[in-house]
Amino acid sequence: GAGVSQSPSNKVTEKGKDVELRCDPISGHTALYWYRQSLGQGLEFLIYFQGNSAPDKSGLPSDRFSAERTGGSVSTLTIQRTQQEDSAVYLCASSLEGGPSGGSYEQYFGPGTRLTVT
Amino acid sequence: QQQVKQSPQSLIVQKGGISIINCAYENTAFDYFPWYQQFPGKGPALLIAIRPDVSEKKEGRFTISFNKSAKQFSLHIMDSQPGDSATYFCAASTGTYKYIFGTGTRLKVLA
Repeated sequence: GAGVSQSPSNKVTEKGKDVELRCDPISGHTALYWYRQSLGQGLEFLIYFQGNSAPDKSGLPSDRFSAERTGGSVSTLTIQRTQQEDSAVYLCASSLEGGPSGGSYEQYFGPGTRLTVT
Repeated sequence: QQQVKQSPQSLIVQKGGISIINCAYENTAFDYFPWYQQFPGKGPALLIAIRPDVSEKKEGRFTISFNKSAKQFSLHIMDSQPGDSATYFCAASTGTYKYIFGTGTRLKVLA
């Protein structure tokens, strides 16, 4: 079946502009995650959505970052007033459940959006 | 205490050799340890995972060895192939949704 899809695959923007990154999770997956991957670094957790519960926003690096998940499916990560340090690959992942209650931990990742802020 | 330390940063192995990547952690509450494989331009893909109730898990040429007392776990790739050339990430979870990822190991297998 279809995996996690993200768009755009590449985004170049000028410093100070706002950007929106989109994630379509695997159908039926209730949990959705956003990560940031900087060059040569591991994956940095940004935000987590699980069903209708309040999202865990504890990983968002500043108030310029926000995310929404509409209808329990598609998610949009918005970065306002972009800075050069925001340049990274933004990865989205989804899973059947977000915890160990008999469900799967496995997170399935999309291909990412490479964001370059000039 | 939430960190997962991964080494080496990069690794070059001859075809047919064994690739070994190590990870260490401090938080004894971690109870799920997945390994992800990432090819250039792609997202990470789950390769193999282990829980601390076993010391080893093998899937094909890939084996996780887990040492609970040392708080270390490692990925072994037997008979390494050029197609295994990728970046490998270890991760750990406390039984919640939050994964703590290592910084990655770039593996190159020479033909």
